[in-house]
Amino acid sequence: ILNVEQSPQSLHVQEGDSTNFTCSFPSSNFYALHWYRWETAKSPEALFVMTLNGDEKKKGRISATLNTKEGYSYLYIKGSQPEDSATYLCAFVTGTASKLTFGTGTRLQVTL
Amino acid sequence: DTEVTQTPKHLVMGMTNKKSLKCEQHMGHRAMYWYKQKAKKPPELMFVYSYEKLSINESVPSRFSPECPNSSLLNLHLHALQPEDSALYLCASSQGGRTYEQYFGPGTRLTVT
Repeated sequence: ILNVEQSPQSLHVQEGDSTNFTCSFPSSNFYALHWYRWETAKSPEALFVMTLNGDEKKKGRISATLNTKEGYSYLYIKGSQPEDSATYLCAFVTGTASKLTFGTGTRLQVTL
Repeated sequence: DTEVTQTPKHLVMGMTNKKSLKCEQHMGHRAMYWYKQKAKKPPELMFVYSYEKLSINESVPSRFSPECPNSSLLNLHLHALQPEDSALYLCASSQGGRTYEQYFGPGTRLTVT
């Protein structure tokens, strides 16, 4: 059983704050790391797919980094807005299985 | 169109009922997935179809029976379910392969009474 952990479990920030969360995964047999945003009552939405150690990806105010050697990825949100309120899920993919193993998510709430 | 649709949104069924969940995408994706998500848990993969053929079955009980009638449609047939099968069932599709992002539907909230 693969262990994909995310921290913190939940986070409450004010509008304009910058924040970051962590996804930890096994450092062996790495193939890819996905990030998804899941707003309440909506479909999970893909943010990034990362494959290379040292990869950095950016979409608007959201960016992510990847360290496959130590088994972690960071997701950063700059200048949080209320519309960023969602659960952020990472999903780990090994080199031997064609499936995503999801972490338990970080629930972000941004208030005015 | 980057939408994955799922019907119904909500379903309540008894343990002796037979029902089906439906999923549809028109993005030309060749891989389609069923996930099960229980409250406060991450989504768990159930089945993967690749080019309309079942490629992964994560040891799911036979009371769940997937079907892929064509490249745009994915069904999940339900029969003799247990109350512990109550969950959110998510469908997703992708171009295929582990480095392609998956597009998810909004899910069907299933309650087994």
